[in-house]
Amino acid sequence: SQQGEEDPQALSIQEGENATMNCSYKTSINNLQWYRQNSGRGLVHLILIRSNEREKHSGRLRVTLDTSKKSSSLLITASRAADTASYFCATPMDSSYKLIFGSGTRLLVRP
Amino acid sequence: DAGVTQSPTHLIKTRGQQVTLRCSPKSGHDTVSWYQQALGQGPQFIFQYYEEEERQRGNFPDRFSGHQFPNYSSELNVNALLLGDSALYLCASSSRFPYNEQFFGPGTRLTVL
Repeated sequence: SQQGEEDPQALSIQEGENATMNCSYKTSINNLQWYRQNSGRGLVHLILIRSNEREKHSGRLRVTLDTSKKSSSLLITASRAADTASYFCATPMDSSYKLIFGSGTRLLVRP
Repeated sequence: DAGVTQSPTHLIKTRGQQVTLRCSPKSGHDTVSWYQQALGQGPQFIFQYYEEEERQRGNFPDRFSGHQFPNYSSELNVNALLLGDSALYLCASSSRFPYNEQFFGPGTRLTVL
């Protein structure tokens, strides 16, 4: 079963624009993590936001977390062609060690 | 500092065969998790190894088994391959504590014909 669901499934923007993708989850969480995957290869960890945090920044990335709505958003500002990838949110289930991933958002940044 | 490494990069097998995939964790990490990612889907947790034992398992049949060595490297074995086992297999390493971020390797692309 999938804990997180990303929205939209696909997003196409022009270079320089901002990209926003959303993630909804079902159960209470300790933290929520965002990953990037290029061309079906390994996942790169982008950012981890804990349940007691509301917003976190890392370079051009901004992540928000709303635990009352069980949702998170990832904003990429001033996008570049190199940002073209699939983006996944993932949460650890309860006190388990495994990460539960959503189905991802495919981002295309057009030069 | 080497990250997570996996071998081989690609593998082609036929139905009924057996396959072994290998993973070396990031330096300083002692926990290895394996995930299966079908095309167009998010990764699905297979199992996790810590101190050479399977600590937690996802919803995968017994055909999927693993091993962790004293140097923390790990193997994933799949017996009696099915067409549906075709996927990208990802290894992730982390520290022993839950809730920590996991660092992923580049994956092994398995094709079952």
